[in-house]
Amino acid sequence: GDSVTQMEGPVTLSEEAFLTINCTYTATGYPSLFWYVQYPGEGLQLLLKATKADDKGSNKGFEATYRKETTSFHLEKGSVQVSDSAVYFCALTVTGGGNKLTFGTGTQLKVEL
Amino acid sequence: EPEVTQTPSHQVTQMGQEVILRCVPISNHLYFYWYRQILGQKVEFLVSFYNNEISEKSEIFDDQFSVERPDGSNFTLKIRSTKLEDSAMYFCASSSESGAYEQYFGPGTRLTVT
Repeated sequence: GDSVTQMEGPVTLSEEAFLTINCTYTATGYPSLFWYVQYPGEGLQLLLKATKADDKGSNKGFEATYRKETTSFHLEKGSVQVSDSAVYFCALTVTGGGNKLTFGTGTQLKVEL
Repeated sequence: EPEVTQTPSHQVTQMGQEVILRCVPISNHLYFYWYRQILGQKVEFLVSFYNNEISEKSEIFDDQFSVERPDGSNFTLKIRSTKLEDSAMYFCASSSESGAYEQYFGPGTRLTVT
């Protein structure tokens, strides 16, 4: 079946540090890939997405590139802020497989001054 | 900005009791979903709903679970006879389109079964 594996947290960084959260996937069909973010007390929000190989999704300084050869979709940001502290979820949906999202376990990011 | 709302934010119930979790999706959305997250585990798909019927469900969504859109705004998840292992955060989501389109999530209902 479909699955997503992402790095365990929590990840603790100082403000302005570089962020990478690793995400790899297995899929029965051709997946679209997503990063969702959950701020404390809120629902999951779409951060960025990519629907085909070599696409780069980007939003709010975050970016991730769909790498079919390595089945990866790593999230990066060049300079994190305290306000980026949240839980980040990598997810996929398979074309023709309905609309269900398959999620990773989530990675908590804590950014300190 | 339109948002998905869920009530209650926290529900405590005794094993064997019925619970109904409520969601108000975004008003012009056509696709509705329930997911759950057991503490420390992955967010798991439960069910999707379109055109007043279930379009897909997971193995978790057994006969104890049901969904309903009783009016034009609410979308509910009923658990008929709760078990301890049903304790989890339940997320409702909605989307305007099918496929690789954004699903908008509510803040979740934390269900605790004692």
